[in-house]
Amino acid sequence: KQEVTQIPAALSVPEGENLVLNCSFTDSAIYNLQWFRQDPGKGLTSLLLIQSSQREQTSGRLNASLDKSSGRSTLYIAASQPGDSATYLCAAPNFGNEKLTFGTGTRLTIIP
Amino acid sequence: DTAVSQTPKYLVTQMGNDKSIKCEQNLGHDTMYWYKQDSKKFLKIMFSYNNKELIINETVPNRFSPKSPDKAHLNLHINSLELGDSAVYFCASSQEASYNSPLHFGNGTRLTVT
Repeated sequence: KQEVTQIPAALSVPEGENLVLNCSFTDSAIYNLQWFRQDPGKGLTSLLLIQSSQREQTSGRLNASLDKSSGRSTLYIAASQPGDSATYLCAAPNFGNEKLTFGTGTRLTIIP
Repeated sequence: DTAVSQTPKYLVTQMGNDKSIKCEQNLGHDTMYWYKQDSKKFLKIMFSYNNKELIINETVPNRFSPKSPDKAHLNLHINSLELGDSAVYFCASSQEASYNSPLHFGNGTRLTVT
């Protein structure tokens, strides 16, 4: 059974800094991994889906990496802005079925 | 032009009542889901439908009954509501199975059972 962990649970950084969010998963037999952001009172917004054949996926100031062998993925945010403040969740599939297992997220606060 | 819309946004009701949450997606996706997010923000799948057929039923009490009249709609009916049912329920959709394409979520329905 897939288990997904995100540490730390909360992170505060000054505006303009680059930062890295971490995601660990136990079952490395995954097809892909997804990163989402959740704003308060809202649903999740898909940010990046990185396939197992890729090592990195980029969208604007966001860059996600995937290392299956170590069971880790990172989300790099460049030049952080207050609008980046949100909870970021990663999700990895369970091999053999269609279920996604979500981490509990990292609540990111960008300080102006 | 909302992609995944669910109603109502808030639902406050008493124990023992029956309630429904509706979900619609206009993305043309084949697969729809119901997720439950508890007070600790843990998000867990409840049901998955592909082209109106049940794919995943994640050991949810049978008081919860999903219904998909067509592939653009997936409603959730809950009988005999209990205090522990209080949570935020999210509807989502994807073009393919969830491990192959991005998930698109609705804004959630906050259910409070008193």
